[in-house]
Parts: sequence; structure tokens; C-alpha cells
Amino acid sequence: QSALTQPASVSGSPGQSITISCTGTSSDVGYYNYVSWYQQYPGKAPKLIIYEVSNRPSGVSDRFSGSKSGNTASLTISGLQDEDESDYYCSSYTTTNIYVFGTGTRVTVL
Amino acid sequence: EVQLEQSGAEVKKPGESLRISCQGSGNSFTNYWIGWARQMPGKGLEWVGFIHFRDSETRYSPSFQGQVTISADKSISTAYLQWSNLKASETATYYCASAVHGSSSWPHWGQGTLLTVSS
Repeated sequence: QSALTQPASVSGSPGQSITISCTGTSSDVGYYNYVSWYQQYPGKAPKLIIYEVSNRPSGVSDRFSGSKSGNTASLTISGLQDEDESDYYCSSYTTTNIYVFGTGTRVTVL
Repeated sequence: EVQLEQSGAEVKKPGESLRISCQGSGNSFTNYWIGWARQMPGKGLEWVGFIHFRDSETRYSPSFQGQVTISADKSISTAYLQWSNLKASETATYYCASAVHGSSSWPHWGQGTLLTVSS
């Protein structure tokens, strides 16, 4: 099971919107609506920010939104803020009954 | 609220064995999965495998099958990740996470256990 493909880095200015893609296959992202997104600061544990493609856990800013089309899921951060500078990982359930992470994306606020 | 507490940092030599732990609190974990993820220094997250507390059903990611053993003691809501022959390449931070059975997301995470394997 290969890792899902994410861009290594994405950047934007404060207030802008950015989108991170997460490309898998018809055996993971494309098969299930079980894509999650995690935010991770250096040295800290991951934090769930999106589950089941587009749902936000309680307490997560509505500036974070998720979507999916075919084998590609996307995370959009609107109104970019300094605190959004972090690493982001997607994860999907797979047809082999395990989960797989994406390769990770470093978001930089210019 | 669910909390996961992991055992402390470890320094081991190649060839040694080790078991690290992840203890849950704040809920009954009978219907929970516990997953383990690896993060090598400066690298991304990788799922190692998962175990269900109710029946100890265990699943491993292909890269980790045969390299580690995941187990659990439901009487104390604790999951374990075990190595029998450590390698330097297994130096990493290992995180545990929990998910309710039937859910596809992992909302609760432990603080991570740093494992250093060096001669």
C-alpha cells in the first residue's frame, strides 16, 4: 500500500486561501469517503481537523474545509493565519482494511 | 474525555527488544481501535498497525508485518507495540491513536514515544 501523494509544500499570504491535494487510488481515496486530515506542529502529536472527507470535529475552525473528487481529496484553508503554519497529512481507509497516510505538506505563511 | 498516555522515551542498542505502551482513560475502550503510527526524524507519518480492544483483532501495514507485534490488555485499557530485534533504522517517534469502532477517523492521540536505537 503506497502513501497518498501530497505536494511537499504550499505557501500563501495572510488572508489568502490555499488548497492541499491528496491523491490516492480507486482502492483508497476513490473507494471510500473515509478521508481524514491532520495538522501537526513540530514535535507535537497530530490533531484531527477533517474527517469523512468534509466534516469538522467540534472546536476546529470553519476556515478548514475538505472535499473529494474521484481519487483526489483536498483540504482548503481560508483566511490563512500565522497559526496555520504547520504540517498537514491526509489519511484514508483502504480496501485492504488498513489506513494509509499522505506524504505530508508543509504550509508556510508568507 | 478520552486521553492516551504513552510510556517514556527509550534508548536501546541494536538487537535488543522493547515494548512500549499506550494507556487509555476517560472512557470504556471495549469498542475502540488503537492504532500505532511511526514518524522517523524529519519525515512523515506512517501507520504501523491497529488492534481492537474487544477481541484483539490486529491488522498491520504491509511494511511493518513481521517487524513489530501489537498487543493489548483490555483489563487495563493498554495497548503495546513490541520489537524483538531492534535496528537503528527503527529510530523514530511512535504515536498511538484511538478510534471508535465504525469510525474512520482518529481524534485522540498520545504524546508520542521517542525511540532511539544506537550502538
